[in-house]
Parts: sequence; structure tokens; C-alpha cells
Amino acid sequence: NAGVTQTPKFQVLKTGQSMTLQCAQDMNHEYMSWYRQDPGMGLRLIHYSVGAGITDQGEVPNGYNVSRSTTEDFPLRLLSAAPSQTSVYFCASSRRRNTGELFFGEGSRLTVL
Amino acid sequence: SQQGEEDPQALSIQEGENATMNCSYKTSINNLQWYRQNSGRGLVHLILIRSNEREKHSGRLRVTLDTSKKSSSLLITASRAADTASYFCATALIYNQGGKLIFGQGTELSVKP
Repeated sequence: NAGVTQTPKFQVLKTGQSMTLQCAQDMNHEYMSWYRQDPGMGLRLIHYSVGAGITDQGEVPNGYNVSRSTTEDFPLRLLSAAPSQTSVYFCASSRRRNTGELFFGEGSRLTVL
Repeated sequence: SQQGEEDPQALSIQEGENATMNCSYKTSINNLQWYRQNSGRGLVHLILIRSNEREKHSGRLRVTLDTSKKSSSLLITASRAADTASYFCATALIYNQGGKLIFGQGTELSVKP
């Protein structure tokens, strides 16, 4: 059982480039989310989805887009990368909408030069 | 501002000792969860305590919740070197939409053999 799979694990971008971080889960979870982790800041919620076709913003959504066309996939798009988006990104999923435990991927480490 | 604040930020103990980490939060919650993160890895769910519970146990873990003080503590008994990791509390707000969790900044635990 793969759980939550994130790709790529590492990526280096130049300022202004765009890219997509992929996230897939095979647990048929309704709820999926993206967090970024920065030193001293803990994890901050970027975007989340409560089901296919439904997405909403978290604490720090600016500069990121998401879509949820299937239950399994929840990609995160960086539209025009900035150095402030250098971070480790985590995708997570939950079987319950209402506050169940989160299952995390292993993270994608992004550096923007 | 962060919903969860953790204390201490770092903790260093000897193997066999107990480790206690604290988490305070600001607004009413549905539940509070604790997660563990090994260096360079994703977060792993440890335990969930609901707002109407005061104490919960899981193996060597003991979690308490005091909703009047808006605080929780995680106790790891008889610690092992393998417990070395960062520990995060996460709160699910009582009126949250879509099961969002808000994470604290974490406590970095080092257990020396």
C-alpha cells in the first residue's frame, strides 16, 4: 500500500519558472491538503480539498494553484516561482472530512534561485 | 499567528528518561493531535484526543488535554534513542471547514544513548 506519494522529491527552479508538484493517494481519502514547512514556522496550510472538484484556500495560498479532478490526485502548481517559495512541501490526506488523522507524503524539497 | 505554540522548542534527555512536551492553543477545538517527524521524512500521526477527553494513552505515550487552559502535553515514558525526532501538535478548530489542521512549530527531541 503506497499511501501518499509525492513527486519530485527535490527540485531547483529559477525565479519566474513554473512547475507542478504531484501528489497521489491510493486510500480513497476524501480530504487532501498541501502544507509548506519552513524553519521556525512549523507547517502552514496552503490549499485543501474536501473532495473531487472542491478546493479552498488555507493560510498561505498566494502564488499557488490547485485542482482536484479525481479523488486520487491533488497537484500543486507554482505559477511564477519566487525565492520566498523555497521550502519543503508536504501533501497529506485524511479519510474523514472532519478532523481525522492526516497521512503525509515524504515531502518535496524545492529551491528557488 | 500560530494557533499552536509548543514548549520547549528543543529537549535533550538520556535514554530511559521521560520526555514531556507542551502545546498551547488559542481558540476552541474539536480535537488535538500529535505528530512525529524524523529528520528528512514526512509526519506520522501518533495520537488524537478529543475535546471531551482529558487523557489518552498509546503504548509509551500519554497525552493530556486541559480545555480550560487551552493546553495539552505529550509524555513519552522510558525514552529510547529511536524517539529522537521533532514532535508537533495540531489542532482541529471547532468550526473548521474541511478538516483543516493547524500545526505548532514543534519540539525537537534528542534522546542520547
